[in-house]
Amino acid sequence: DAGVIQSPRHEVTEMGQEVTLRCKPISGHDYLFWYRQTMMRGLELLIYFNNNVPIDDSGMPEDRFSAKMPNASFSTLKIQPSEPRDSAVYFCATLAMVRGRANTGELFFGEGSRLTVL
Amino acid sequence: LAKTTQPISMDSYEGQEVNITCSHNNIATNDYITWYQQFPSQGPRFIIQGYKTKVTNEVASLFIPADRKSSTLSLPRVSLSDTAVYYCLVGDIGGFQKLVFGTGTRLLVSP
Repeated sequence: DAGVIQSPRHEVTEMGQEVTLRCKPISGHDYLFWYRQTMMRGLELLIYFNNNVPIDDSGMPEDRFSAKMPNASFSTLKIQPSEPRDSAVYFCATLAMVRGRANTGELFFGEGSRLTVL
Repeated sequence: LAKTTQPISMDSYEGQEVNITCSHNNIATNDYITWYQQFPSQGPRFIIQGYKTKVTNEVASLFIPADRKSSTLSLPRVSLSDTAVYYCLVGDIGGFQKLVFGTGTRLLVSP
């Protein structure tokens, strides 16, 4: 398996533009997470899905952020409109249950999407 | 949700053993303890996971006392390539709790 695949790797956009980040999880993984990382706040959990269903989106900073998982092999994180303070590295991570227990699994991270909003 | 506390940074030299301790006083019965390593410009990578006592793999050891209120990641004979940020993560995703990372420990290994 190629691992968690994120695109784009880098995105530079202007304030007010719509940004869509994409994630292809590892096949068979039941959970998908979106994290954001900045120097000031570290790694922040934005939202996570279980079997394509959003479980907790309390980390999504504002209504400008939305995430979807239309099927088991694809997820998107959208920011509209984007603002300079959204500049960060956005990571997608997936997790599979091990021995029937999700909490014994490990998170597999993608390489991240570095977003710069001017 | 158990909150974790780690030292912000640590320094070491090549060949030394490094022990990084994480405090998680509010750990719940079903929570597991997992450690991740992150290099610049990369996503975190799983190192080791445990529930109690001691766990060892080819990379590290994890020591968890009986009360489980803390854990220690032990890296034997570190090299320059072990310079990274190390995160302690405590949670039970099976219980639909969030997997929240703390601030991590920045380890610098010098020659």
